[in-house]
Amino acid sequence: KQEVTQIPAALSVPEGENLVLNCSFTDSAIYNLQWFRQDPGKGLTSLLLIQSSQREQTSGRLNASLDKSSGRSTLYIAASQPGDSATYLCAVNSSNDYKLSFGAGTTVTVRA
Amino acid sequence: DAGITQSPRHKVTETGTPVTLRCHQTENHRYMYWYRQDPGHGLRLIHYSYGVKDTDKGEVSDGYSVSRSKTEDFLLTLESATSSQTSVYFCAISGLAGADTQYFGPGTRLTVL
Repeated sequence: KQEVTQIPAALSVPEGENLVLNCSFTDSAIYNLQWFRQDPGKGLTSLLLIQSSQREQTSGRLNASLDKSSGRSTLYIAASQPGDSATYLCAVNSSNDYKLSFGAGTTVTVRA
Repeated sequence: DAGITQSPRHKVTETGTPVTLRCHQTENHRYMYWYRQDPGHGLRLIHYSYGVKDTDKGEVSDGYSVSRSKTEDFLLTLESATSSQTSVYFCAISGLAGADTQYFGPGTRLTVL
């Protein structure tokens, strides 16, 4: 069974600082990995999807890396803004059943 | 935003009563999913569908049933609600299982008293 862990559970940084969010997973046989953002009381918004054959994926200020062999992914958010405050969820799509396994998330607060 | 709606958005019910949650999509996506989100657990898959009348169980399917009679609608039923089913329920859709991003609905907050 795929286990996904996100550390830390919460993070508070001053505006302008770069954010580094970590995700680890136990089974390296994955199809892809997705990063989502969730605002309080809202649904999930997809940020980035990295296929298992890719090492990284970029979208604007966001960059996600994937090291499948070590079971790790990192989401970098450059020059953080108060609007980046949210919970960020990592989800792994295992290649054997195509179901997403989610981490518990990292709640980010960017202080103005 | 992907065209996904969930109804109701909030519901309070009594233990032992049946409850049905509805997910409706306008994207004509083949795959639909029901998740529950609880503090400290992340999202957990309840059931999913890979086509009309084709469904399968997820990680936490006990106490839940689903039906999909049309591409656009996926229903989640709690036959006899229990307090442990108090949660936020999310529906998601995708065009291709595994290969595609999942798009999520706004969620339904269910409280079972």
